[in-house]
Amino acid sequence: DADVTQTPRNRITKTGKRIMLECSQTKGHDRMYWYRQDPGLGLRLIYYSFDVKDINKGEISDGYSVSRQAQAKFSLSLESAIPNQTALYFCATSDFGLAGEKNEQFFGPGTRLTVL
Amino acid sequence: GESVGLHLPTLSVQEGDNSIINCAYSNSASDYFIWYKQESGKGPQFIIDIRSNMDKRQGQRVTVLLNKTVKHLSLQIAATQPGDSAVYFCAETRPSGGYQKVTFGIGTKLQVIP
Repeated sequence: DADVTQTPRNRITKTGKRIMLECSQTKGHDRMYWYRQDPGLGLRLIYYSFDVKDINKGEISDGYSVSRQAQAKFSLSLESAIPNQTALYFCATSDFGLAGEKNEQFFGPGTRLTVL
Repeated sequence: GESVGLHLPTLSVQEGDNSIINCAYSNSASDYFIWYKQESGKGPQFIIDIRSNMDKRQGQRVTVLLNKTVKHLSLQIAATQPGDSAVYFCAETRPSGGYQKVTFGIGTKLQVIP
């Protein structure tokens, strides 16, 4: 979806290196998310942000950090990459949604990260 | 994107046939459900949604059925086409601390045989 872009699309790095994955969106959404996807597992939430000043940990935040530089930008950092962080990483955005209302998330194309 | 399909249940259907993809969800408090389609090398895309106060919803060539009694969701694709080949997964959402917590299923890989 061109409305949500991720860079880089592919990255190979070594254990111990610091890596930053970037996400930008033009949908004007306040809410942004970072997920990882592993074979045989559903998408798992790493961090989410409801606005520039609101950052929250997801279910698997250990080893990751995030920065919400602007409404349109949300970056994910691996401070010291390890091999089990090898995965597909997706950024997503959504509009504000009250409980019971539509809560569609719009996903970027993903970043394939390999940690050797 | 190919690695997404590893270890997933796979459904193979003949072009033109109907496809039924199933999903069991876990939380009886979930009140909103979405089906996503993920093509190789791409991010998931919304297909259709349904609220817990409904048991059926139809879109273009797709129908979602919800059975809350057994916590089961299905996606039916009519007249399956080669372009429907992808991984399909359901997502359940429920209120949690002021926002909608989303849990994604692992997905089913749909292979359309020309």
